[in-house]
Amino acid sequence: ELKVEQNPLFLSMQEGKNYTIYCNYSTTSDRLYWYRQDPGKSLESLFVLLSNGAVKQEGRLMASLDTKARLSTLHITAAVHDLSATYFCASMEYGNKLVFGAGTILRVKS
Amino acid sequence: KAGVTQTPRYLIKTRGQQVTLSCSPISGHRSVSWYQQTPGQGLQFLFEYFSETQRNKGNFPGRFSGRQFSNSRSEMNVSTLELGDSALYLCASSRNQGNRDSPLHFGNGTRLTVT
Repeated sequence: ELKVEQNPLFLSMQEGKNYTIYCNYSTTSDRLYWYRQDPGKSLESLFVLLSNGAVKQEGRLMASLDTKARLSTLHITAAVHDLSATYFCASMEYGNKLVFGAGTILRVKS
Repeated sequence: KAGVTQTPRYLIKTRGQQVTLSCSPISGHRSVSWYQQTPGQGLQFLFEYFSETQRNKGNFPGRFSGRQFSNSRSEMNVSTLELGDSALYLCASSRNQGNRDSPLHFGNGTRLTVT
């Protein structure tokens, strides 16, 4: 059974600081997904990482995938308040069944 | 291009009742999957439909069921509601089943409260 673990579960950051969210998964997979969720809203796709060594960047967010270590990271550079949200990583178990991590609640303080 | 549309947005039901939630996928998307989100259990897969057939099912009791129509729209039904069924129910669509190179596209969800 696929398990996905994220840490930290809660992250309080000052604006302008850098930080990294970690996502470990338990079985071999070459696909990893990152989503963002604002309070009371749906899940917004951020990144799809398709292979070992994949790196994708969008604005202040950069995601990477190491399939050998079964680890993905989401790096936040120079955080701004608008990045406050809950971030989920997920791996595909079979079909379109995504297994999600518990989510990281990010709060950026000015 | 319209996104995934879920109706209703909010529902309040009483224990023992049943409820039906609706999902219209993005035009051209044929796979619809359903997820339950609760503070305690997080995001959990319910089931997936493709070409009007249930393809995969998560670990939920038989009270949770669904179907898909020929136009790819999907409904999920929960019978004999329990307090623990209170959750945000999210529908997601994709063009095909198991297309792992593209993300699932999620709707805004239906917030179900069982009293």
